[in-house]
Amino acid sequence: AQSVAQPEDQVNVAEGNPLTVKCTYSVSGNPYLFWYVQYPNRGLQFLLKYITGDNLVKGSYGFEAEFNKSQTSFHLKKPSALVSDSALYFCAVREKGRRALTFGSGTRLQVQP
Amino acid sequence: KAGVTQTPRYLIKTRGQQVTLSCSPISGHRSVSWYQQTPGQGLQFLFEYFSETQRNKGNFPGRFSGRQFSNSRSEMNVSTLELGDSALYLCASSPGDGGSSYNEQFFGPGTRLTVL
Repeated sequence: AQSVAQPEDQVNVAEGNPLTVKCTYSVSGNPYLFWYVQYPNRGLQFLLKYITGDNLVKGSYGFEAEFNKSQTSFHLKKPSALVSDSALYFCAVREKGRRALTFGSGTRLQVQP
Repeated sequence: KAGVTQTPRYLIKTRGQQVTLSCSPISGHRSVSWYQQTPGQGLQFLFEYFSETQRNKGNFPGRFSGRQFSNSRSEMNVSTLELGDSALYLCASSPGDGGSSYNEQFFGPGTRLTVL
């Protein structure tokens, strides 16, 4: 079975500081990993994905994520947080060959001015 | 290119009624998935359709059903509504066959269903 864990319900960071939102996964095969963001009363927006290759993946709005196979992690990062980054962030995994996405519980990011 | 659209955006029903939600995928996308989002359970996969065929189903009771039309538009139906069915129902589309596991999904704004 595939699963995702987001250990932090909320992350608080000051504007201009770097941010990290943590994600660990469990699959029995090769993972495809995704990050999505959700703003209030909106659907999920795709940020980035890891399929294969370079462990550092760059995505939309200045976000990036680092795939670490030995630690089964896929943490989301941004060098300098903006107040407008405040939202709910979801990590998701799909094992190669499977169809359904499994989402983590979500992490609320609060960026203070 | 227009995004995924879902109608209606908000819906209020009473227990025992049934409801139909609609989703139009991004033009050219043939795979449509449905998810239920609640504060307690988070995001849970309902089912996925490709070429008018259900390809995968999550762990939901038979009251939850869906279908896909030849133009890739999809509907989901919930019969005999229960209070616990109150949720945000999200539709997502992706290009090609959902079996291409590396494809990201593009989500609609969701339908907020409230069951009284």
